[in-house]
Amino acid sequence: DAGITQSPRHKVTETGTPVTLRCHQTENHRYMYWYRQDPGHGLRLIHYSYGVKDTDKGEVSDGYSVSRSKTEDFLLTLESATSSQTSVYFCAISGDRDEQYFGPGTRLTVT
Amino acid sequence: GEDVEQSLFLSVREGDSSVINCTYTDSSSTYLYWYKQEPGAGLQLLTYIFSNMDMKQDQRLTVLLNKKDKHLSLRIADTQTGDSAIYFCALKGFQKLVFGTGTRLLVSP
Repeated sequence: DAGITQSPRHKVTETGTPVTLRCHQTENHRYMYWYRQDPGHGLRLIHYSYGVKDTDKGEVSDGYSVSRSKTEDFLLTLESATSSQTSVYFCAISGDRDEQYFGPGTRLTVT
Repeated sequence: GEDVEQSLFLSVREGDSSVINCTYTDSSSTYLYWYKQEPGAGLQLLTYIFSNMDMKQDQRLTVLLNKKDKHLSLRIADTQTGDSAIYFCALKGFQKLVFGTGTRLLVSP
């Protein structure tokens, strides 16, 4: 157990509303990641962080923003949710051998 | 950039060995990884191999690495129904892991 929690675990929201997903770690790891997983696309990196207030874009960052004000928390925000953002979102942290440990996921449905 | 490919599906009978294959185009990754994902769950790190090794054994799991052919495989001995899941290989790219598309393993009794 890598000590990663995500909240909420499930969320249904309407198109155009803002949504924030939270990732919390208890391991004090420097690197944290947000992925989305969709059928036929595998795992795609949205954003990642390499320290407090240090973030960078991944391959599918449009429509998403992130913040990291504390080592243990990494927030993913959808400013105005769209149906194409319906997905399962995973947070991950990076270990000493660059391996990643994943949270349980958040299933987001945008109606 | 790196590209990682896996076959989509593998079906075996309980007690048989399973071999899941992965090919990649280019990597200077120090480690290569295998993950397992059960329905409704996140990815779980199963094992990893150091890039200067050819083989690593971990209980029922054997990882083989052929760097010349850029081929990675995961062998599961005595496959059980609880091994049914999606298996992902991954390697280190720039600032992130690059994952294969996953192989769905179905184990029938």
